[in-house]
Amino acid sequence: QKEVEQDPGPLSVPEGAIVSLNCTYSNSAFQYFMWYRQYSRKGPELLMYTYSSGNKEDGRFTAQVDKSSKYISLFIRDSQPSDSATYLCAMSHSGSARQLTFGSGTQLTVLP
Amino acid sequence: GAVVSQHPSWVICKSGTSVKIECRSLDFQATTMFWYRQFPKQSLMLMATSNEGSKATYEQGVEKDKFLINHASLTLSTLTVTSAHPEDSSFYICSASGAGGYTGELFFGEGSRLTVL
Repeated sequence: QKEVEQDPGPLSVPEGAIVSLNCTYSNSAFQYFMWYRQYSRKGPELLMYTYSSGNKEDGRFTAQVDKSSKYISLFIRDSQPSDSATYLCAMSHSGSARQLTFGSGTQLTVLP
Repeated sequence: GAVVSQHPSWVICKSGTSVKIECRSLDFQATTMFWYRQFPKQSLMLMATSNEGSKATYEQGVEKDKFLINHASLTLSTLTVTSAHPEDSSFYICSASGAGGYTGELFFGEGSRLTVL
């Protein structure tokens, strides 16, 4: 079993839809949770960063962490075609980037 | 956010040749840089961690003589794939941190796609 599981998709939604992206994990020691957006043939860029459980909101993006269920989510409201990308979750038990474990990514397409 | 530049963005080479990929932090001093490999529809796999002025730390299963990493300055790290073979074809991505490798201050390059014929 992988430490981090992420549905690869692909996921297609119409413009304006609410998108829900999810990851599950098995290591209960994970405390730092991140979501990255990766456009085709580009490197990842950090979207959301959360420590421990709870919600964090940034514009149209909301990250949720449920440590009791070992489940994290990224919600995108009012999705736009420019949101079309692969979304990677990543997590770590420490603040060190060397211990980051990435999900395999979910490919999202927002149709105009 | 900070800018990390990777060059070349893509390269095609013949089997047996060596290829060098550069990773530069353009607007900050990167004390730690990381090199990853990514296969299609798969997650990023950390290959090695490089700290300026010291030897790189390789992850288990990564051949250090095959993937030479040099971090000679606070703004430049290089990955050299020596005697490349078709199975080395992949997307290589670097990331840089100015805070000793803290997850919240990690910036990625745009990646380099290597194709070995």
